[in-house]
Amino acid sequence: SQQGEEDPQALSIQEGENATMNCSYKTSINNLQWYRQNSGRGLVHLILIRSNEREKHSGRLRVTLDTSKKSSSLLITASRAADTASYFCATDGFNNNDMRFGAGTRLTVKP
Amino acid sequence: GAGVSQSPSNKVTEKGKDVELRCDPISGHTALYWYRQSLGQGLEFLIYFQGNSAPDKSGLPSDRFSAERTGGSVSTLTIQRTQQEDSAVYLCASSLTVNSNQPQHFGDGTRLSIL
Repeated sequence: SQQGEEDPQALSIQEGENATMNCSYKTSINNLQWYRQNSGRGLVHLILIRSNEREKHSGRLRVTLDTSKKSSSLLITASRAADTASYFCATDGFNNNDMRFGAGTRLTVKP
Repeated sequence: GAGVSQSPSNKVTEKGKDVELRCDPISGHTALYWYRQSLGQGLEFLIYFQGNSAPDKSGLPSDRFSAERTGGSVSTLTIQRTQQEDSAVYLCASSLTVNSNQPQHFGDGTRLSIL
């Protein structure tokens, strides 16, 4: 069963704007990962945040983690049309040996 | 190879036929994962391998589904007596080890269509 749930399901913004996607999960985690999927392709790993971390940055990406609320957010700053994709969060499985993915947020960045 | 390779990229078959999907992971990766993705949906976890062993097969949707991995490398996912609801994209991923602190590297999937 899925562990993470992304919100919103779909997001449409103009190029240059910031995009924020949220992920909520149900059980305690050790690690949370964000992935991106372009249409017709496999997923690409973006960033990993550990349960003892609150914020991580990678280029235009900023990820936060609030373990008390069991939620994470992915912020893409100064979005580009090429950022158009689906974004997924993944958290530890119940036995901590694998990851479970949410349903994803479909981001559309209009040029 | 440089990345995870899946074959075939597309497969169209008639209901009731058996299909075999192949995944060639990144060399040296001991962990291998299979997922199913229906159109516009998230990833449904099917099974993972640590080496040649599959500790948890509970994600497989039915006993028509089976998977094996030999030599700690290539894996095959077999679907017997295919049904229309099996139509989906089947994604394979590999990672260095089975650990949630490891990123997973995905292939581009096999798009399976059951007529």
